[in-house]
Amino acid sequence: AQRVTQPEKLLSVFKGAPVELKCNYSYSGSPELFWYVQYSRQRLQLLLRHISRESIKGFTADLNKGETSFHLKKPFAQEEDSAMYYCALTPGGSEKLVFGKGMKLTVNP
Amino acid sequence: NAGVTQTPKFQVLKTGQSMTLQCAQDMNHNSMYWYRQDPGMGLRLIYYSASEGTTDKGEVPNGYNVSRLNKREFSLRLESAAPSQTSVYFCASSEWGTGGGSAKNIQYFGAGTRLSVL
Repeated sequence: AQRVTQPEKLLSVFKGAPVELKCNYSYSGSPELFWYVQYSRQRLQLLLRHISRESIKGFTADLNKGETSFHLKKPFAQEEDSAMYYCALTPGGSEKLVFGKGMKLTVNP
Repeated sequence: NAGVTQTPKFQVLKTGQSMTLQCAQDMNHNSMYWYRQDPGMGLRLIYYSASEGTTDKGEVPNGYNVSRLNKREFSLRLESAAPSQTSVYFCASSEWGTGGGSAKNIQYFGAGTRLSVL
């Protein structure tokens, strides 16, 4: 069965510090990996996906198939990055999205 | 475009009552989904519909039924609400497909329905 693990529930950093939100997955095939974000009082939205290979709001994520990881990184966190972050995967050929349990990032001034 | 619209935004039920959560999307997406979000549990898929006329169970379907009324609308029904169904419910839609395409397989979410069952 597919599984997405976000090992940390909470992360609190100061503005300007680097952040890394960890995500590991278990799936034997070729998944599609995503990071979704939910800002306070806003709906859940896509942040980035591995096939796009782009940086969004300064965030990047690299799919490491050997380590089955898709960690989200940003070199200098901003207060507006405070949000809930969810890692998710779509198993190959499936319409479904499997979410991790989420991680709350707080960036302090 | 409104995107994905859910009604109601809030609801309080007594144990045993029934209700239907409504969801509509105006993006002409083929796939629609219902999730529940609980603290520490993330989002869990209740049911999904890959296309008009089809529905399939997700991870936590017990106690729920769904109807894909047409391509736009996908409703979630609680026949006999229980306190364990107290949660925030999200509807989502996507244009699912293989073969690449930057717009495919991105799920767009509604604002959520906060349900309390007493």
